Amino acid sequence: GAGVSQSPSNKVTEKGKDVELRCDPISGHTALYWYRQSLGQGLEFLIYFQGNSAPDKSGLPSDRFSAERTGGSVSTLTIQRTQQEDSAVYLCASSLGRGGSRQETQYFGPGTRLLVL
Amino acid sequence: TQLLEQSPQFLSIQEGENLTVYCNSSSVFSSLQWYRQEPGEGPVLLVTVVTGGEVKKLKRLTFQFGDARKDSSLHITAAQPGDTGLYLCAQGDGNKLVFGAGTILRVKS
Repeated sequence: GAGVSQSPSNKVTEKGKDVELRCDPISGHTALYWYRQSLGQGLEFLIYFQGNSAPDKSGLPSDRFSAERTGGSVSTLTIQRTQQEDSAVYLCASSLGRGGSRQETQYFGPGTRLLVL
Repeated sequence: TQLLEQSPQFLSIQEGENLTVYCNSSSVFSSLQWYRQEPGEGPVLLVTVVTGGEVKKLKRLTFQFGDARKDSSLHITAAQPGDTGLYLCAQGDGNKLVFGAGTILRVKS
């Protein structure tokens, strides 16, 4: 079956421009996550969506970052007024979202490589 | 949020050699996951360990969870070039995963 897909695979933008990154989770997965992977910081959590619940935005680094999830499926991560330090790989993951105490398996997409010049 | 420390940061070995990478924390893990990430791809889950002292095997990979659940190791026997990649340990923290910085493994043929 289809895995998590992300687009674009690569994005080069100029400092100060806005960018939108898209994630299509695995069909039927109600939980969706965004992470950022950069050389200096490793892989860090940004935001989590679960069904119709309010998203957990605790990992967003600034108010320039926002994310939406429309219809409980596709998600868009938006970075406004991009800065050079925003350059990183942005990874999306999804999981079944059944909850419980056991850590669910998260399935990652290939990521979007963002370069801010 | 507890910090996960991985070592070594980088490992370059010849095909056929054995290796071990480590993941440590000052706090107790409820469970621990190991991922492998290849260039241009997202991380892929290898295993989840839950019980202190647990040992899991996945072909040539052996995963151990420390008795006190504060550390874990991944041992690869007879490494192959296809094992090349970034190995990450991660712990669940509420709704998210917290990752270690990873070990970059390069296996030369």
